[in-house]
Amino acid sequence: NAGVTQTPKFQVLKTGQSMTLQCAQDMNHEYMSWYRQDPGMGLRLIHYSVGAGITDQGEVPNGYNVSRSTTEDFPLRLLSAAPSQTSVYFCASSSFSGLNNAEAFFGQGTRLTVV
Amino acid sequence: DQQVKQNSPSLSVQEGRISILNCDYTNSMFDYFLWYKKYPAEGPTFLISISSIKDKNEDGRFTVFLNKSAKHLSLHIVPSQPGDSAVYFCAASPNFGNEKLTFGTGTRLTIIP
Repeated sequence: NAGVTQTPKFQVLKTGQSMTLQCAQDMNHEYMSWYRQDPGMGLRLIHYSVGAGITDQGEVPNGYNVSRSTTEDFPLRLLSAAPSQTSVYFCASSSFSGLNNAEAFFGQGTRLTVV
Repeated sequence: DQQVKQNSPSLSVQEGRISILNCDYTNSMFDYFLWYKKYPAEGPTFLISISSIKDKNEDGRFTVFLNKSAKHLSLHIVPSQPGDSAVYFCAASPNFGNEKLTFGTGTRLTIIP
């Protein structure tokens, strides 16, 4: 029972490099999201998707791109890495619940350092 | 502009006693609230949630209370156990969904044996 899988777990990039953080879920969830967590701050929403082919911006989208070609995968692309993007990144997935007791499942996180 | 606030960065509680974690919010559009627990080097895990049509939700040792007029919610853990030591995040959503959560800054709970 894999849940939400993120790769890689750790990554060091040089300023200006690009890379893709992978996220996959095997629960057939409609919703997927990317968050970043910085010291002393809560998780902040970068981008989210409510279904395949549909994406939208969150609170801190600048410098990141996403796409959702399948239900299972939601990669996050850093176009030109900057030191300000040093953070821990979490991917989450969830299903629409209405008023039910629902939850978002999170991956283990990717710790990214940009030097 | 912090829309979800957890004003206590840390809290220490004796094992067996009640732990009370607090959360305040400013956005009246929030109608679904969740608590997540996070251990170091792991992703957050869901604990309990409450929708705005309720004022209390209980699940075992965990109870969440919502006071809409005060825009305040709290998580009660009783009795507290050493395994409860973690960082607890309050989160809120505007549409009963989970795809756009706004998180507080977290409270580190330490249970003293």
